Amino acid sequence: AQRVTQPEKLLSVFKGAPVELKCNYSYSGSPELFWYVQYSRQRLQLLLRHISRESIKGFTADLNKGETSFHLKKPFAQEEDSAMYYCALRVSGGYQKVTFGTGTKLQVIP
Amino acid sequence: ETGVTQSPTHLIKTRGQQVTLRCSSQSGHNTVSWYQQALGQGPQFIFQYYREEENGRGNFPPRFSGLQFPNYSSELNVNALELDDSALYLCASSLAGRETEAFFGQGTRLTVV
Repeated sequence: AQRVTQPEKLLSVFKGAPVELKCNYSYSGSPELFWYVQYSRQRLQLLLRHISRESIKGFTADLNKGETSFHLKKPFAQEEDSAMYYCALRVSGGYQKVTFGTGTKLQVIP
Repeated sequence: ETGVTQSPTHLIKTRGQQVTLRCSSQSGHNTVSWYQQALGQGPQFIFQYYREEENGRGNFPPRFSGLQFPNYSSELNVNALELDDSALYLCASSLAGRETEAFFGQGTRLTVV
């Protein structure tokens, strides 16, 4: 069975400091990894996906199959980045089940 | 703002009762997924409906059931409620095969006492 682990419940950084939100996964096949974000009083929304290798709001994430990781990074944190971040894994075949991690709350201190 | 709406936003039920939660999909979306999010946890996949048929299920007992209607709106039914069913229930609609691009509703907060 697939699993997504986010070891940090809370990550506090100062504005302008680099951010790295950790995500590790376990899955025997070839997964698709994603990051979702939930800002205060807003709905859960897709932030980025590994397959498109995109940078959204300055965030990037690289899939490391050797370390089974998909850490989310941003070189300079901004106050508006404060939110809950969820790492997620999608298993293809049949139906598309998405497995979420437990989430990390990012707090950017002004 | 997305077009996925859930009702009610909050409700309180007694252990042993039954509950029905509703979800109205984003226009044009034919797939609905339901998730349970317990406090401090990430969303957990309950099941998915595509064209009125359940086509995938997570690790939830049969007392969790659902329906999808011709207009792609959906219901989640939970029978014989237990205290551990207290959670935020999220509905997400998408096009088939694009579940990670789903639009989420604001959720229904269920409290079982």
